Amino acid sequence: AQKITQTQPGMFVQEKEAVTLDCTYDTSDPSYGLFWYKQPSSGEMIFLIYQGSYDQQNATEGRYSLNFQKARKSANLVISASQLGDSAMYFCAMRLTGGGNKLTFGTGTQLKVEL
Amino acid sequence: EAQVTQNPRYLITVTGKKLTVTCSQNMNHEYMSWYRQDPGLGLRQIYYSMNVEVTDKGDVPEGYKVSRKEKRNFPLILESPSPNQTSLYFCASSLRTGIYEQYFGPGTRLTVT
Repeated sequence: AQKITQTQPGMFVQEKEAVTLDCTYDTSDPSYGLFWYKQPSSGEMIFLIYQGSYDQQNATEGRYSLNFQKARKSANLVISASQLGDSAMYFCAMRLTGGGNKLTFGTGTQLKVEL
Repeated sequence: EAQVTQNPRYLITVTGKKLTVTCSQNMNHEYMSWYRQDPGLGLRQIYYSMNVEVTDKGDVPEGYKVSRKEKRNFPLILESPSPNQTSLYFCASSLRTGIYEQYFGPGTRLTVT
């Protein structure tokens, strides 16, 4: 069965600094997608970035980049130049083609950006 | 604007009173899904639909029903709500089945007393 592990329940970072949120995954399926979502205190789930298992290059979207290390089964999110608005819960998720094609989520990391 | 909408956003109801949470997307997506989010348990899939008239159970389907009569709509029905269905519910959609990002609705916070 697939599993996502996020070992950092909470993190603090100073404004304008970079921060890395850890995510490891477990699956025996060779084809999968890894996603990061942001959930602010208002509750909505905002898609940030996607990495496919066959993608050769690490994904980037603006200030977000995904550090994909396939052999280590890790997919860490890097946020550069943190802003106060980045304070939120961040979820790593994995999607397989089978099993209802659902997203399997980690337990999340609460990020707080400080002045 | 491309979006997934849910209604209502907040609902307080009593045990046993049937309710429906609507979900609609305007992106012509084939795949739609319902999740519930509970503290300490994360998000879990309730039901999903790969296309019109094609639905199937997710990980926690007990106490819920769904239908997919039109491509854009995927309502979640609680025939006889119970307090253990108090949760934050999300509808999500993606272009089709496969490794595509899922776009989430704003969430429905349901309280069953």
